[in-house]
Amino acid sequence: NAGVTQTPKFRVLKTGQSMTLLCAQDMNHEYMYWYRQDPGMGLRLIHYSVGEGTTAKGEVPDGYNVSRLKKQNFLLGLESAAPSQTSVYFCASIRAGTSGTYEQYFGPGTRLTVT
Amino acid sequence: AQSVAQPEDQVNVAEGNPLTVKCTYSVSGNPYLFWYVQYPNRGLQFLLKYITGDNLVKGSYGFEAEFNKSQTSFHLKKPSALVSDSALYFCAVRDPSLSGNTGKLIFGQGTTLQVKP
Repeated sequence: NAGVTQTPKFRVLKTGQSMTLLCAQDMNHEYMYWYRQDPGMGLRLIHYSVGEGTTAKGEVPDGYNVSRLKKQNFLLGLESAAPSQTSVYFCASIRAGTSGTYEQYFGPGTRLTVT
Repeated sequence: AQSVAQPEDQVNVAEGNPLTVKCTYSVSGNPYLFWYVQYPNRGLQFLLKYITGDNLVKGSYGFEAEFNKSQTSFHLKKPSALVSDSALYFCAVRDPSLSGNTGKLIFGQGTTLQVKP
């Protein structure tokens, strides 16, 4: 099992450019999440998905869009990058359960710099 | 609203000494609590969790955490620190009483642990 993988690992964008970050998981997990990590602010939830074809906004969704066309993939898009989106982005997944006791599994992260 | 606080940005401890990384939480119901560790340039790794039952939970790499409902705390502990424990530690909470099972976690801001030889 590769677990959760993220592509690319690093990226530098100019202001106004667009890009898509790919998250893939091979654990057959139903729920997937995109976070951003900034110094001193912990992890903040951008968007999440509870199943194929379903997405929802998290804490900081502005400037991002997501899609979950296949259960194993969760894409994060930046339509017009801004310097404020310079961050490290993490994807996570979890199996569904009525008790919600399961831990999230994280990918290795994508370091994005917007100049 | 749910929230998690890690009051210390950094904790310094000598190798071989016990360590504690503090976490307090605020939820409306009974919490599910988690600790994760992040090594440099890596993703978060799960350490341990409290769901129900014994207040002292044991996890990976010799870490343990104590759930204290009256103090709304879930401090991470290890009896004898190693240099290799140096990393960024995150506490997280899930409130299962909230409607909709989305598995979302709320994370603290993180505490850097430095273990010196």
